[in-house]
Amino acid sequence: SQQGEEDPQALSIQEGENATMNCSYKTSINNLQWYRQNSGRGLVHLILIRSNEREKHSGRLRVTLDTSKKSSSLLITASRAADTASYFCATDRSPGSARQLTFGSGTQLTVLP
Amino acid sequence: NAGVMQNPRHLVRRRGQEARLRCSPMKGHSHVYWYRQLPEEGLKFMVYLQKENIIDESGMPKERFSAEFPKEGPSILRIQQVVRGDSAAYFCASSQNKGDYEQYFGPGTRLTVT
Repeated sequence: SQQGEEDPQALSIQEGENATMNCSYKTSINNLQWYRQNSGRGLVHLILIRSNEREKHSGRLRVTLDTSKKSSSLLITASRAADTASYFCATDRSPGSARQLTFGSGTQLTVLP
Repeated sequence: NAGVMQNPRHLVRRRGQEARLRCSPMKGHSHVYWYRQLPEEGLKFMVYLQKENIIDESGMPKERFSAEFPKEGPSILRIQQVVRGDSAAYFCASSQNKGDYEQYFGPGTRLTVT
């Protein structure tokens, strides 16, 4: 699988439930970032977690990072219909000043009202 | 504080024409990145630039594609002699030259080659 591979590919839940998305990667990283993309729109930066961090919160979002397993999870609590979007993880594994992000193919989240 | 600006938002070109995509980074950001997204796929890195310098172009196709970020004005991604396979969404991101270099994305330019 490619660097930054999300799982599941698609997830459908009821409003109010929690949504968990996972991301696995292969190489060592500087940080891992989660983005949201609404259909046909640009990417919105959600949260960044550094390689020396294990957990981070932002509002209804909780991100964990396990560098030993090379995996991360994004939890959205108390989901809303407006959370319907594609969610991508992106890894920054660049040494020095070269900072290309490597994206997975995303998880399509649908929150049903 | 305006975000990353891209124009045009939609661009239609016939095969063989040239496409020019523009990106203005966020205020205070000196690093620009271009990514391409094919339908139903994630973004793929193309090129990373600072003012007047290409830092990393490892994701750029060897032919027909070029990018610049001049001292004055926006960054330009140029695609010469477009082909149908160039149809995609092209996103620009920018970051500061410090910290975690968080990248903030523009709305994208959707290129359609007919």
